[in-house]
Amino acid sequence: SQELEQSPQSLIVQEGKNLTINCTSSKTLYGLYWYKQKYGEGLIFLMMLQKGGEEKSHEKITAKLDEKKQQSSLHITASQPSHAGIYLCGADHFTSGTYKYIFGTGTRLKVLA
Amino acid sequence: DVKVTQSSRYLVKRTGEKVFLECVQDMDHENMFWYRQDPGLGLRLIYFSYDVKMKEKGDIPEGYSVSREKKERFSLILESASTNQTSMYLCASSSRTGLDFGQGTRLTVV
Repeated sequence: SQELEQSPQSLIVQEGKNLTINCTSSKTLYGLYWYKQKYGEGLIFLMMLQKGGEEKSHEKITAKLDEKKQQSSLHITASQPSHAGIYLCGADHFTSGTYKYIFGTGTRLKVLA
Repeated sequence: DVKVTQSSRYLVKRTGEKVFLECVQDMDHENMFWYRQDPGLGLRLIYFSYDVKMKEKGDIPEGYSVSREKKERFSLILESASTNQTSMYLCASSSRTGLDFGQGTRLTVV
């Protein structure tokens, strides 16, 4: 089963609209990362959140981690076609005595000009 | 900037072939990872390595092996390629800000 649930799976918005992508875990997250992937390419790091209640922004993208450190949201303000791609959340996960990185299934974003 | 480089962007191989996917990072990172990415399944960890000659199985190691003879290089090996190994393969190395990814190798097994 997927340990990081991401929603929605896909999203189509008109240019200029705001949107939010959510990432939820059943366990406390030690570190939460957001990545963007252009189709057919590698992942590009966007932001890292570690503390409960933390919020970070970069240009028109804001990411928050809730106080319990089990849910994060990524918000894009006034979306542009350049925001299109796949957004993935990733997290440090301590299991079987070692740290592994796990990922959500991704949200495919399309922005209509 | 960290650079993680995968040797090929696209590969087409025949069923039964032995396939090598190479990954090199230039920032002296200790931890390196191989993932495969499939629609609807997200990224799944195949193998990772936390030091030279050290390797750990990820969630889906069957049909794969790895080699880490030098710190900067982490190779993924498909011993006998099968069509269900057609996928996007992503290599990564870890830093304090998460994972740095290569550009990916899209492998098609025919």
